[in-house]
Amino acid sequence: AQSVTQLGSHVSVSEGALVLLRCNYSSSVPPYLFWYVQYPNQGLQLLLKYTSAATLVKGINGFEAEFKKSETSFHLTKPSAHMSDAAEYFCAVSGGRGAQKLVFGQGTRLTINP
Amino acid sequence: NAGVTQTPKFRVLKTGQSMTLLCAQDMNHEYMYWYRQDPGMGLRLIHYSVGEGTTAKGEVPDGYNVSRLKKQNFLLGLESAAPSQTSVYFCASSFYRVRNNEQFFGPGTRLTVL
Repeated sequence: AQSVTQLGSHVSVSEGALVLLRCNYSSSVPPYLFWYVQYPNQGLQLLLKYTSAATLVKGINGFEAEFKKSETSFHLTKPSAHMSDAAEYFCAVSGGRGAQKLVFGQGTRLTINP
Repeated sequence: NAGVTQTPKFRVLKTGQSMTLLCAQDMNHEYMYWYRQDPGMGLRLIHYSVGEGTTAKGEVPDGYNVSRLKKQNFLLGLESAAPSQTSVYFCASSFYRVRNNEQFFGPGTRLTVL
């Protein structure tokens, strides 16, 4: 079985500051991991994904995430926040190759202060 | 390519009324999903389908029914709506040959049950 925990339902950073959104997972098989972003009143868009290749994954809009098996983590970072990054972010895990479902975390709302 | 589309975008129902939400995808994906999104609870899977004519229960299936008569369409039905079903509903699809279950989302349907 798989599960995801996102630490912090709400994160607030200043424009230009580092963004760090935390995600820890639990999986009984080697996982595939995803970060999705949801802008207000929109559906979810894929930011980046880990599918067992490189452990440091780069996504859209300057975001990246590092898969750390020993820590069961997949934290999302961006060196310098922009006002347009304000959104809700979801971490998700699938149960490895051929899995039929994703399990989502509760989401983290990111606010950017000018 | 329209991707994943959902109809309607908004709906208000009275308790006990019924309705059907339509999801359509033009990417020839085999897998399709219905989620509900509630504040602080992330996305919860209602039902899903791994192919035409097949459906399965997700995490929160009670009070909902689904049908997948055509590969490109996935319908979600509420037979007797309850206020607890007030939510935002998202449809998603994925291509099984990719094997990592990256899902593509529709824009959502906001449903209010009075």
